Amino acid sequence: GAVVSQHPSWVICKSGTSVKIECRSLDFQATTMFWYRQFPKQSLMLMATSNEGSKATYEQGVEKDKFLINHASLTLSTLTVTSAHPEDSSFYICSAPPLAGEGTDTQYFGPGTRLTVL
Amino acid sequence: AQKITQTQPGMFVQEKEAVTLDCTYDTSDPSYGLFWYKQPSSGEMIFLIYQGSYDQQNATEGRYSLNFQKARKSANLVISASQLGDSAMYFCAMREGQRNSGYSTLTFGKGTMLLVSP
Repeated sequence: GAVVSQHPSWVICKSGTSVKIECRSLDFQATTMFWYRQFPKQSLMLMATSNEGSKATYEQGVEKDKFLINHASLTLSTLTVTSAHPEDSSFYICSAPPLAGEGTDTQYFGPGTRLTVL
Repeated sequence: AQKITQTQPGMFVQEKEAVTLDCTYDTSDPSYGLFWYKQPSSGEMIFLIYQGSYDQQNATEGRYSLNFQKARKSANLVISASQLGDSAMYFCAMREGQRNSGYSTLTFGKGTMLLVSP
């Protein structure tokens, strides 16, 4: 099956700094990727849809200027949390849609990145 | 209205017994897909089972089966012969629209924490 990786797996940063999270499709090309945020003991909430070569589509209530998404290639999407604050501490997960011809409908999820802002 | 409702915040089951995790959904789209994911403490999202809205038979994958009752809009997950390793958070999710129709996004329920005891 398709593999999606994320880097880093965890990060601790000071308030006010920016953090970049990478999401890579390892053995396939992904023109679209999804970014989710999950607060402790809560569900996954879609933040944005990342589109290769064009602007990301953000969900209602997600600040575009705070969560910068860049999908510069067919295998890499990045999420940058700018001027991070403690309330941005969360588990961030990316995923890619199912591949045409694959026998599954599930998205392929990355392992997630745990962000802690002090 | 909630699109995916999981009414059980937590469930306990004894090893080797069967357990049912509830999920109801709300959509007016005739074409949709229903998913169950397992999320252990590590955070990774593990795909368990999928049911399409037009599928005539209930989906089964090893010890997992999906009790799909379309008229009641429910898609309960049944885990047979529970194992200690089944202890995790379980999420029900829905994709509205056909697969590959613009890469429809997933909406997740709030999850059910399952604890399997020896």
